[in-house]
Amino acid sequence: DAKTTQPNSMESNEEEPVHLPCNHSTISGTDYIHWYRQLPSQGPEYVIHGLTSNVNNRMASLAIAEDRKSSTLILHRATLRDAAVYYCILRGAGSYQLTFGKGTKLSVIP
Amino acid sequence: ETGVTQSPTHLIKTRGQQVTLRCSSQSGHNTVSWYQQALGQGPQFIFQYYREEENGRGNFPPRFSGLQFPNYSSELNVNALELDDSALYLCASSLAPSGGYEQYFGPGTRLTVT
Repeated sequence: DAKTTQPNSMESNEEEPVHLPCNHSTISGTDYIHWYRQLPSQGPEYVIHGLTSNVNNRMASLAIAEDRKSSTLILHRATLRDAAVYYCILRGAGSYQLTFGKGTKLSVIP
Repeated sequence: ETGVTQSPTHLIKTRGQQVTLRCSSQSGHNTVSWYQQALGQGPQFIFQYYREEENGRGNFPPRFSGLQFPNYSSELNVNALELDDSALYLCASSLAPSGGYEQYFGPGTRLTVT
């Protein structure tokens, strides 16, 4: 699976939108872009995933660049519960595993 | 709908012993993956089971083995425990094994080897 690059950490004020970037310049045509997050002392939690088009669900939105070399996870209104490590993961269509990097540690300021 | 559950929550074992960890997958999910997460690190893929067969394996020695049952629940067995096996063991289930499907994780089992 191709590699992703994320900032080590980000901060956001509570109730403001958060844009978490991810670069994946070596993405292949069959790689899905997955986002997971992990709150302290918990297992990872699925957030959203997509292939080419932007995606929305109840948790977040995923904006995928036209060339697919980057993507952005958008949390529309940050809450204290959103403080977590966010992982951007590329997963090939035939791949059975998630390969976790270091992720972005998001802090939410009250 | 019941999510992924794991047992036990915590476990303390002695070096050289054997351990079995259990996972119940989410309803309707036929694929289970196991991950090891050392303190301060991201989860590392151990292996995946799909319809009772091992479907893929990460870079873990053969003393890490598993089973999946007809109801799609799963076990992770670790023989000859080493101190470095101390970690959070995570189970995840999904509707299918391919990359287009999301994985839903359980809360994990914290294993301490002394």
